[in-house]
Amino acid sequence: AQSVTQLGSHVSVSEGALVLLRCNYSSSVPPYLFWYVQYPNQGLQLLLKYTSAATLVKGINGFEAEFKKSETSFHLTKPSAHMSDAAEYFCAVSPFGQGAQKLVFGQGTRLTINP
Amino acid sequence: NAGVTQTPKFQVLKTGQSMTLQCAQDMNHEYMSWYRQDPGMGLRLIHYSVGAGITDQGEVPNGYNVSRSTTEDFPLRLLSAAPSQTSVYFCASSYSGGPQYFGPGTRLTVT
Repeated sequence: AQSVTQLGSHVSVSEGALVLLRCNYSSSVPPYLFWYVQYPNQGLQLLLKYTSAATLVKGINGFEAEFKKSETSFHLTKPSAHMSDAAEYFCAVSPFGQGAQKLVFGQGTRLTINP
Repeated sequence: NAGVTQTPKFQVLKTGQSMTLQCAQDMNHEYMSWYRQDPGMGLRLIHYSVGAGITDQGEVPNGYNVSRSTTEDFPLRLLSAAPSQTSVYFCASSYSGGPQYFGPGTRLTVT
């Protein structure tokens, strides 16, 4: 069975600082991995996805994530935080070969940006 | 394209009442799913469908029914609402092997 753990339910950074949101997964087979962002009172929007190609994945809005099999991690980073990045971020996993139909989500990390 | 649409946006039910949450997509996606979102728990899969006429249970299916008569529509039915079903419900769709696209959500309160 797959599971996802996001370390830190709340992360606060200053505007212009590095953003690092942590995600560790467990999966019995090579996984697909995703990061989604949710702005207040909205649905989820795909930031980026890993599907067994390049281990460093670039997404929208300057975010990127690196798949590290040895650490079972898929941490999300952005070099310089912007006020508009304030949102809730979800890491999700789906078993390889099942596409993204049965996503298992982490509990989410709320990102706050301080001016 | 409108993408994934959900109605209603908000709903208040009394315990024991029934209702249907509507979901439609205009992207000709084969796969559709329903999730519920509760504070501190992320999103959990309720039911999903891999095509018209085919549905299956997810992680938390109890108390919910689904059917898929067309590619476009995937309604979620609550037959007898309970306070534990108070949540935000999201519908999503995808093509085979692709990422899921989410609707704006329905906020349901059961009193």
